[in-house]
Amino acid sequence: DTAVSQTPKYLVTQMGNDKSIKCEQNLGHDTMYWYKQDSKKFLKIMFSYNNKELIINETVPNRFSPKSPDKAHLNLHINSLELGDSAVYFCASSPWDRGPYGYTFGSGTRLTVV
Amino acid sequence: GNSVTQMEGPVTLSEEAFLTINCTYTATGYPSLFWYVQYPGEGLQLLLKATKADDKGSNKGFEATYRKETTSFHLEKGSVQVSDSAVYFCALSFNNNDMRFGAGTRLTVKP
Repeated sequence: DTAVSQTPKYLVTQMGNDKSIKCEQNLGHDTMYWYKQDSKKFLKIMFSYNNKELIINETVPNRFSPKSPDKAHLNLHINSLELGDSAVYFCASSPWDRGPYGYTFGSGTRLTVV
Repeated sequence: GNSVTQMEGPVTLSEEAFLTINCTYTATGYPSLFWYVQYPGEGLQLLLKATKADDKGSNKGFEATYRKETTSFHLEKGSVQVSDSAVYFCALSFNNNDMRFGAGTRLTVKP
């Protein structure tokens, strides 16, 4: 009955590889997000989707490409991985309307690029 | 732009001590304010929230009051436990899809 689930939980890969992280929510929320958390715990928004449409696209290298096949799923594909991509990536979801409801987060994917 | 500033950590307290983690915000208008908690190896969890001036959010013994005059939303707990050790994030949002987080404050509670 996990609300926001991400896979994989850990991902170790070599520089230059391409990898994907998957996220699914069963809360019926309209909006989903990807955040990057660095080693100092700073959280940075990367993307948000509302009902499969991109609504926030922060300054993120175009090696990162989100895909939302339906409003319950938001995947993150990363091309040509670099050392600096090592971080914990969090998926989150929320209702679309003004709320305030807060966000529900997944447990994170720790990406290590070697 | 809209932003949140938290006190720098880490904060180390003994069990049963009083906790305050300061948070101030900069915003055009009156956002909703939130505290989230992140336990080791987990994602963030919503701890409490407040939507307008003088509102008090509370949960699990934690409290924070929305102060418009001082643009603050300080987190307090009267008696911390070892299990409260975590990273705490202050955040603001206007439309529920534009959440901005502070840098986080790590709290360690020692027995």
